[in-house]
Amino acid sequence: DGGITQSPKYLFRKEGQNVTLSCEQNLNHDAMYWYRQDPGQGLRLIYYSQIVNDFQKGDIAEGYSVSREKKESFPLTVTSAQKNPTAFYLCASSPPEGQENTEAFFGQGTRLTVV
Amino acid sequence: AQSVTQPDIHITVSEGASLELRCNYSYGATPYLFWYVQSPGQGLQLLLKYFSGDTLVQGIKGFEAEFKRSQSSFNLRKPSVHWSDAAEYFCAVAPAHKLIFGTGTRLQVFP
Repeated sequence: DGGITQSPKYLFRKEGQNVTLSCEQNLNHDAMYWYRQDPGQGLRLIYYSQIVNDFQKGDIAEGYSVSREKKESFPLTVTSAQKNPTAFYLCASSPPEGQENTEAFFGQGTRLTVV
Repeated sequence: AQSVTQPDIHITVSEGASLELRCNYSYGATPYLFWYVQSPGQGLQLLLKYFSGDTLVQGIKGFEAEFKRSQSSFNLRKPSVHWSDAAEYFCAVAPAHKLIFGTGTRLQVFP
């Protein structure tokens, strides 16, 4: 079945440690996104990538890093510089802009807790 | 700047009652508009979308939304709510291939 897989579903880390969240898609989508979700704030865009080996900062990129070495994969690293990393992280992908079926497909999310 | 406003943070309705969730957007051109639903601890599922054409769009689970350019709105409606509709609902606009979301409306359904 085609879809987006985020792993792990739950992740615990000690303060000051970097942690990488996985996102894989087999939908052959060009664009991929990372969002952060906090209660009462909706979804905020961290990074997005429209093509392999290229990515752009979103609204809240500070303390995060990404890579896009393969079309299928868009891992997100939460660094120790992120001051409040505990949140629910959602990965999404979408076909190229301009297609009538353009919409974002979401993974099931990773809940990161930093203690 | 592009933005989406969902003025209702929390709505409570009785099962069988009608529902309208409000969404207003700010965007210079004709937007792509979406409604997504999220169950607790899950990802987002697309309910419906508007790109062009008929301003009344039908979605899954009996939902519909109407695009009103003059009011910059894209309100979501359902004539009769079921208990399983309890969830969080997000409106989104997609300028330049980025989805911008509203803060969401949490729907609670009483029997």
